[in-house]
Amino acid sequence: EPEVTQTPSHQVTQMGQEVILRCVPISNHLYFYWYRQILGQKVEFLVSFYNNEISEKSEIFDDQFSVERPDGSNFTLKIRSTKLEDSAMYFCASSEVVQTQYFGPGTRLLVL
Amino acid sequence: KNEVEQSPQNLTAQEGEFITINCSYSVGISALHWLQQHPGGGIVSLFMLSSGKKKHGRLIATINIQEKHSSLHITASHPRDSAVYICAVSQDTDKLIFGTGTRLQVFP
Repeated sequence: EPEVTQTPSHQVTQMGQEVILRCVPISNHLYFYWYRQILGQKVEFLVSFYNNEISEKSEIFDDQFSVERPDGSNFTLKIRSTKLEDSAMYFCASSEVVQTQYFGPGTRLLVL
Repeated sequence: KNEVEQSPQNLTAQEGEFITINCSYSVGISALHWLQQHPGGGIVSLFMLSSGKKKHGRLIATINIQEKHSSLHITASHPRDSAVYICAVSQDTDKLIFGTGTRLQVFP
């Protein structure tokens, strides 16, 4: 069964460093999303992406964040200069049309 | 104020019990989603519904649009059902607005 994959599963970085989180959505899906979950809190929407552009972003998704679909299969989330409060589980999701979203296993990011 | 509220926050049950998790929302929605988050963190979509009722195996989800309320029922609960169950809504766009989740533990 097709699934969304994410790499790495865990990432530890120093404050101020750049990180790139990678996702491979399900191949025929057209809509892509990033969510994050700070430990002990609810899942929060970051950004949605369709037709090679951002379709919606949250207040959390400030200038430090960017997304890209560089090669038609990968979907990446870049955090330019990480802060302590960026420590969270980051989930990628994809959907074929605007309906059920399929989530990846997540990347646990720890900023020291 | 949270747009999506769930109750209870935590739920403990004996194997075989019938379980109900409730979700109330305060915004207009196009669809309501029930998801399951495993202890390792992975999230799986269970249901997406905009009216009525859906059933999949031992899981049943209902929604009352007028009352802005949904329930997730698990019949004949089993220890493998232990997880966090999350209610989320989508509005005009496809972004999901999540509730805080209900942690369910089913004991043998």
